[in-house]
Amino acid sequence: EAQVTQNPRYLITVTGKKLTVTCSQNMNHEYMSWYRQDPGLGLRQIYYSMNVEVTDKGDVPEGYKVSRKEKRNFPLILESPSPNQTSLYFCASSLYSQALPSGGSTWVQYFGPGTRLTVT
Amino acid sequence: KQEVTQIPAALSVPEGENLVLNCSFTDSAIYNLQWFRQDPGKGLTSLLLIQSSQREQTSGRLNASLDKSSGRSTLYIAASQPGDSATYLCALRGGSYIPTFGRGTSLIVHP
Repeated sequence: EAQVTQNPRYLITVTGKKLTVTCSQNMNHEYMSWYRQDPGLGLRQIYYSMNVEVTDKGDVPEGYKVSRKEKRNFPLILESPSPNQTSLYFCASSLYSQALPSGGSTWVQYFGPGTRLTVT
Repeated sequence: KQEVTQIPAALSVPEGENLVLNCSFTDSAIYNLQWFRQDPGKGLTSLLLIQSSQREQTSGRLNASLDKSSGRSTLYIAASQPGDSATYLCALRGGSYIPTFGRGTSLIVHP
C-alpha cells in the first residue's frame, strides 16, 4: 500500500531535549516536505527536499533541521525544542512531476497521519 | 506573497443539502490548486486537484472549479452526508515549491 508514515504519532517532551520525528514514504517520490499546523494559522511549510541531499527552507524553518540521506526518509530534527514548537506536524511527499494522460503534468501531495508534539 | 482565504470558516448543515465551499487567492499565477479533507486528529487526504489550465474537476459527489481571473475556487458537495463532516482545506502551488494553504472550512453535516 502506498503511504507516508510518521513516528512517533504522539510525543510529550521537555524544553531542550533533542528529538527526531521520522518520515518515510514507499512511493519513490523525489519531493518530501514537513509542515506544522497550528490553530488559526493553518498549515505552514517548515522544510522541503527536492531529492536526496537537496533540502531547502520553507516558510518557518527556525528551530528545525532536516536531512535527506535516502530517497524514502526525511527526518525532522528539533535540536533544542521549545514550547512554541508545540504543534501538529505533517510529513508529505510527491512526485516532482506526474504526467497526465491528457498531457502536461501535475504535482499531488500525499500526507502522513501527523505527529502531535507537546513541549513543556 | 500569495494569500489564501477560505469562507466560511465553519458550516453546519442538515443531511442532504448541496454545499459550496469557497477558496480565494490573491496571486493568479498558480501551478495548481488542490482540495484536501482532514478528519480530526488525522492527516490530509487529497480530494481533487485542478491544474492551472483546467476549469474544473469532478469526483463522485464532489466538483471543484477554478477561476484564476477572479482568484477563486469552489468545492461543491452534492447531497451532503454525515460522513462528509471534516475540515476542508485548499492549497495552491505557485512558481515555488512551497504551497500555500488556506485555514480551512470546518463542516458538520447532521442527520
